[in-house]
Amino acid sequence: GAGVSQSPRYKVTKRGQDVALRCDPISGHVSLYWYRQALGQGPEFLTYFNYEAQQDKSGLPNDRFSAERPEGSISTLTIQRTEQRDSAMYRCASSLARLDSFSGNTIYFGEGSWLTVV
Amino acid sequence: AQKVTQAQTEISVVEKEDVTLDCVYETRDTTYYLFWYKQPPSGELVFLIRRNSFDEQNEISGRYSWNFQKSTSSFNFTITASQVVDSAVYFCALSFFSSGSARQLTFGSGTQLTVLP
Repeated sequence: GAGVSQSPRYKVTKRGQDVALRCDPISGHVSLYWYRQALGQGPEFLTYFNYEAQQDKSGLPNDRFSAERPEGSISTLTIQRTEQRDSAMYRCASSLARLDSFSGNTIYFGEGSWLTVV
Repeated sequence: AQKVTQAQTEISVVEKEDVTLDCVYETRDTTYYLFWYKQPPSGELVFLIRRNSFDEQNEISGRYSWNFQKSTSSFNFTITASQVVDSAVYFCALSFFSSGSARQLTFGSGTQLTVLP
C-alpha cells in the first residue's frame, strides 16, 4: 500500500475484553514496529519484527500484550483482559531496513489506533 | 540508555515569525540516527527528516532547517516565516544502529507549536 494502514482507527471496549489491532505496513518493508502513545507524550516502543521474526519485545508492558506477524507482512497487536490504563493511541510503523539503502532506515508511521477502555 | 529531551513543552508565535525547537539527546552509541516528526491536529505522525551521526552538515528544506551539533548533542529544528499550518506537535527521536539498520526510536515528549494568524 501507499502508507502504513491501521485498523480500527477508533476502538472503545469494556474492561476485561480482548482487543486486536491490525497493521498493514508499506509494501516491501522488512521491519515493523509497534508503539504506544499516551495523551501529551511521545510514542513509546513496544515491539518490532524483521520479516516474521519478533526481534525485540522488551517494550511490551506485561504478558497481556502480544504481537505477531506470521507471514512477514500484516501484524496484529493483541491486548488481553484490557484495563483502563491500556487506553492510548497504538501506532504501527515500518521501514525498508535494507542494508544497501540509506533511505531504508527511515521509519514511517500509520495514523494510529485510538483505544479507549471503559 | 538513550534519552531525548525537548525542554520546550509549548511555544506560541505569530505568523511569519521564525521559531526554533530544541532537541538534546543522550546515547552511548557511536552510530545513531536522529529524526524529527510532525503530529498535526489530525493525529498522524509525519516524517520530516533523518540524520545519521556521521553527517553534521546542516540541512535546509524550504522553510525548514536543522542544526545538528554533535559537540552539544543537539539537533535543533528551525521554521522560518512560520505559517498557521505549521501548528502541530513536533517530536524529536533517536534511533541506534545495529546490524546494518536503524532500530527502535526513542522519542522526546514533544513540543506543541501554535502559530497565530
